[in-house]
Amino acid sequence: QSALTQPASVSGSPGQSITISCTGTSSDVGGYNLVSWYQQHPGKAPKLMIYEVNKRPSGVSNRFSGSKSGNTASLTISGLQAEDEADYYCCSYAGSSNSVFGGGTKLTVL
Amino acid sequence: EVQLVQSGAEVKKPGESLKISCKTSGYSFTTHWIGWVRQMPGKGLEWMGIIYPGDSDTRYSPSFQGQVTISADKSISTAYLQWSRLKASDTAMYYCATARDTDAASPFPHWGQGTLVTVSS
Repeated sequence: QSALTQPASVSGSPGQSITISCTGTSSDVGGYNLVSWYQQHPGKAPKLMIYEVNKRPSGVSNRFSGSKSGNTASLTISGLQAEDEADYYCCSYAGSSNSVFGGGTKLTVL
Repeated sequence: EVQLVQSGAEVKKPGESLKISCKTSGYSFTTHWIGWVRQMPGKGLEWMGIIYPGDSDTRYSPSFQGQVTISADKSISTAYLQWSRLKASDTAMYYCATARDTDAASPFPHWGQGTLVTVSS
């Protein structure tokens, strides 16, 4: 299975909204409502931000939201804050008890 | 509180063997899948495989099948990742993470701190 496709980088100013896309195939993103998103700050372990396309774990800000259309999932961050600057990875179930990550997107808060 | 504590950094030579560990606490080890994720220097996350400690059912990503072995010891709530013959390309940070529930497809809300493996002659 191939890595999911994400833009290498996105940027936005404080207070703005940004969206990160994650494109797969009908065998992963399009085939299951099992897309999750992780935030990773430099030198830290990843943190789960969204699961099952649009659900937020307890403690995650409601500024983070997820959606999916066909083979593409999206993460939207509204009201950008400096602390949101990090790498973001999507992950999708791909069948046969396997999952696959996206290549990652570096978010810069200008 | 769920905790995953990984073993310390390792420096090995090509061809050597290695087994790193992930000791867990604060949840039911035997009923939640636990997985391993690789992150090569400056690169993204790669899903390696998962194990169900209750019966040691193990699933590997095609990219890692035959390259590593994932195991678990439920008597001490610890998962392992091992190599029989390391290569320089195995140099990476390795994370363990436990699944949200008993489904193999569930995401990873809890992560270890990572184990840095360096393979160099």
